[in-house]
Amino acid sequence: AQRVTQPEKLLSVFKGAPVELKCNYSYSGSPELFWYVQYSRQRLQLLLRHISRESIKGFTADLNKGETSFHLKKPFAQEEDSAMYYCAPLYNNAGNMLTFGGGTRLMVKP
Amino acid sequence: GAVVSQHPSWVICKSGTSVKIECRSLDFQATTMFWYRQFPKQSLMLMATSNEGSKATYEQGVEKDKFLINHASLTLSTLTVTSAHPEDSSFYICSAPPGTGMNTEAFFGQGTRLTVV
Repeated sequence: AQRVTQPEKLLSVFKGAPVELKCNYSYSGSPELFWYVQYSRQRLQLLLRHISRESIKGFTADLNKGETSFHLKKPFAQEEDSAMYYCAPLYNNAGNMLTFGGGTRLMVKP
Repeated sequence: GAVVSQHPSWVICKSGTSVKIECRSLDFQATTMFWYRQFPKQSLMLMATSNEGSKATYEQGVEKDKFLINHASLTLSTLTVTSAHPEDSSFYICSAPPGTGMNTEAFFGQGTRLTVV
């Protein structure tokens, strides 16, 4: 079965501190990898995708195929980063269905 | 980006009644829509996949007769919660799946909060 593990349910940091949200996925072919974010009272939205190698709102995510990890990082957290973050591999053999991790709630304290 | 509109945003209904939730893709066609359920402070749980022109595919443990899904057109999918019970109270979210290649962003509805009293 395809699995996504986000080991931390809650991550609390102070403003300006570095933050890393962990994600490990089970290997099944070569999934595309995404991070989605859900801000309070807003819909789920794409934060970044591995294939684009982009940096959005200061966040980056490095794919480590050896460790099957796709951790999300930001060097200096901001209060507005407080949200739920979901790691989501896209397995093409699953009919283009995203598989969501359990989510990590990031709280950035002033 | 593409927009997925979900209606209603919230609904309160009495036990035993049925509630219909609509999910529309406003500026693109979606042959497939995914329906999720999200409990407070938990992740999204896939309930079913709706397919235009054919029967929906339900995940294990999801009652087909309880959660009726109809994909009436390439822009509309509906989820009907029949004979609702308080335990059906939850946040329901629909999503149009990503395509392939670079343009693989999934688009989500704003969600429907259902409260059964």
